[in-house]
Amino acid sequence: EVQLVESGGGLVQPGGSLRLSCAASGFTFSSYWMSWVRQAPGKGLEWVANIKQDGSEKYYVDSVKGRFTISRDNAKNSLYLQMNSLRAEDTAVYYCARDSIVDYWGQGTLVTVSS
Amino acid sequence: QSVLTQPPSASGTPGQRVTISCSGSSSNIGSNTVNWYQQLPGTAPKLLIYSNNQRPSGVPDRFSGSKSGTSASLAISGLQSEDEADYYCAAWDDSLNVYVFGTGTKVTVL
Repeated sequence: EVQLVESGGGLVQPGGSLRLSCAASGFTFSSYWMSWVRQAPGKGLEWVANIKQDGSEKYYVDSVKGRFTISRDNAKNSLYLQMNSLRAEDTAVYYCARDSIVDYWGQGTLVTVSS
Repeated sequence: QSVLTQPPSASGTPGQRVTISCSGSSSNIGSNTVNWYQQLPGTAPKLLIYSNNQRPSGVPDRFSGSKSGTSASLAISGLQSEDEADYYCAAWDDSLNVYVFGTGTKVTVL
């Protein structure tokens, strides 16, 4: 059974940093692109970033370029999202998701950016 | 700002057929396959349709997808109360190099 479990969310002040983690199990992690998708409270889905199987290619939505970094550790079956210079508009539930078609999703972790 | 446009809401009575449209452009739907997601209240989204019209294992055949040109649609036949949810289309955009989601459609079963 595919499982994706996010952690690392919480309350952070504007301008602060946070690192999200996603622990993957139930599939060969190193064989799949992985993505982060977020959903602001009461709003729709927004794709944030994805990363190729070996980490050699990464893509980001414009609003997070230069502030967020996606990475992975295939030996630990883990995906990460380093978030710096956080803004109020980054407040959202962040989902870890498998593959470029986003076929499996974690339960999400809430990030709140507020003073 | 989403580049895929969906109607904000759709509704029907139990047993009816409901269709949701998704309008894009040549750089997304026109060039790539479309996926659809269902998000039940308070839960994570779930993949409903992939590659325009393919259903993952476990998805009832009441759900079907199609694509034509720069538009796609999701049809729910034999509407059931448990289908009340938000539905999103999505596709890769070759110009923006991002995966774009639609604006979302809330389906209500009357």
